[in-house]
Amino acid sequence: QQQVKQSPQSLIVQKGGISIINCAYENTAFDYFPWYQQFPGKGPALLIAIRPDVSEKKEGRFTISFNKSAKQFSLHIMDSQPGDSATYFCAASIGNQFYFGTGTSLTVIP
Amino acid sequence: NAGVTQTPKFRILKIGQSMTLQCTQDMNHNYMYWYRQDPGMGLKLIYYSVGAGITDKGEVPNGYNVSRSTTEDFPLRLELAAPSQTSVYFCASSRTSGRSEQFFGPGTRLTVL
Repeated sequence: QQQVKQSPQSLIVQKGGISIINCAYENTAFDYFPWYQQFPGKGPALLIAIRPDVSEKKEGRFTISFNKSAKQFSLHIMDSQPGDSATYFCAASIGNQFYFGTGTSLTVIP
Repeated sequence: NAGVTQTPKFRILKIGQSMTLQCTQDMNHNYMYWYRQDPGMGLKLIYYSVGAGITDKGEVPNGYNVSRSTTEDFPLRLELAAPSQTSVYFCASSRTSGRSEQFFGPGTRLTVL
């Protein structure tokens, strides 16, 4: 059973466009929601994270929007660049137990 | 700092064989994790450790064992390899508990035939 559901599976965006990846969860005990970026052949790297008492967090071109009542959160990448082409994973955690989404492969076309 | 290192990078095992995946971190992190990554399935937590001598199960622990005798090392043991254990394995570490950044190693690609 997938604790965190992520969509879309793949995404193609033009350079300069906005990339949006969505995640949903059921367990209201989750208390930390990170997003990880992974390039081919590499391990994931933390991109940005949010706690459930905050509705939005922005770091540069990356923004997490968090809707606690809907149990959904999303990653927005503004002014998408070819260098953003990677796989993105959302995750949710309770204590030291982490649950990852299935990933979104993002391709940014020049 | 090398960060999190994993060995080997690649390995092919026969069904029933055993092996240990090595993980070392030089950041003096107390928390360490083992994940497996299967195509289209994201990462699944196998085991984690909150410090030397303390380990606990994650979401998919069956078929694996771990130990943590030092802060730096967190090896993952496969006793009787099965085709279902074909995957990419990632080790990670973090300075504090779940709400802190995890630093991942480069991964070990394991194939069981």
